[in-house]
This record gives sequence, structure tokens and C-alpha cells, in this order.
Amino acid sequence: ILNVEQSPQSLHVQEGDSTNFTCSFPSSNFYALHWYRWETAKSPEALFVMTLNGDEKKKGRISATLNTKEGYSYLYIKGSQPEDSATYLCAAPGGTSYGKLTFGQGTILTVHP
Amino acid sequence: DAGITQSPRHKVTETGTPVTLRCHQTENHRYMYWYRQDPGHGLRLIHYSYGVKDTDKGEVSDGYSVSRSKTEDFLLTLESATSSQTSVYFCAIRGGTQSNTEAFFGQGTRLTVV
Repeated sequence: ILNVEQSPQSLHVQEGDSTNFTCSFPSSNFYALHWYRWETAKSPEALFVMTLNGDEKKKGRISATLNTKEGYSYLYIKGSQPEDSATYLCAAPGGTSYGKLTFGQGTILTVHP
Repeated sequence: DAGITQSPRHKVTETGTPVTLRCHQTENHRYMYWYRQDPGHGLRLIHYSYGVKDTDKGEVSDGYSVSRSKTEDFLLTLESATSSQTSVYFCAIRGGTQSNTEAFFGQGTRLTVV
């Protein structure tokens, strides 16, 4: 079983705060690391797919970094807004034909106005 | 939006009855997945498929079976539903042959076993 872990489990911040959370994964047999955003009553949507050590991706106020050697990725949100409130999931592929996509348990972010 | 449809969207069934959920895609994507969503657990993989008639177990496969007889359809069957299988079930699809392609999710199916 591919062990993908996220921390913290939940986070409460004030509007305007910057925040970050962590995804850790096995560094051996690394293929890729995915980040998803999951709003209440909706379906998860992809933010980033990262493959290279040292990779950094950005989408608006959200960015992510990847360290494949030590097996972790950080997701950063700059100047959090109430609409950023969601569950943020990371996932790693593995298994037969890279097909098995295992998710972490998620970080629930609540941004208070 | 990725062409992925789950049916039914809601179902209430009795303990011990068989239930089949359907996931249909129009994207011709290779990989298809069934996950269940439970509080505190995020998304847990039940089964996945990497091609027609090619399936493998996920981390919570007990009590579930799947079939994929054609590219576009991935069926999840609960042979004899139990109350512990009350959950929201998500289907996902993913294209390509490498690990660097994102997954697209269906709208979810809320299943209640009474």
C-alpha cells in the first residue's frame, strides 16, 4: 500500500493570512505527485501534477513545491480568501501501469472573513 | 468539463441486497477508478482499471467487485450491501500512459444502506 500522508488534518486561518500544508510520500519508486482542491458539495479538481525534483508550480495565489529525494511536497496559499476554503488532497500514482492513484486523507482549510 | 457521468446519483437500498453503480466516460481515457468518501478518510480507493478487463484492488476492496467490459463503462457492484457501505462514491478517469496526467471526477453517488 502506498502511504500518502497529509498534515495538518485541518487548518483555520484569517482572511489575508498565508498558509501552507504538507504531503509526504515514499521517495522510492516515485512517479508523480498530484494536488487537488475539493470544495464542499462538489467533486475534486486538479491543481497541479508534479514530476521533477525541485519543481515549483503556481496558479494564481496557490503554489506547490516538490522534493522527491526526501518525499514531500508543500502547498502554499498566499493571502487566503474565504473562497479558498476547501479540502486539499494530494495523491501519488503507483501500482500496475502507474494506474493506482492513492490519496492522502486531506487538509481541510477554513478561511474566516 | 471531462465527460464522466455516474448513475444513479442517489440510492437507498436495504441490507443484503445487491447494488450496482455505473461510471460512464466519453473521453476514451485508459484509467478508471472507484473511490469512497468517508469523514476523516479523504478518498479511499476501492478498485481501479488500467484497461478493458484489466482491474486491480485498492485499499478497501472487500465487499466490492468491478467490471470493465468496454472502455467507457466501469461498474462497481456491492454483492450484498451492508450499513458500513453507506458512503458517497466517486468515479474518476485519467488519461495517458504515464503517471503525470490528472484525474477527473464524476459528481458522486450517495448510497444509503438501511
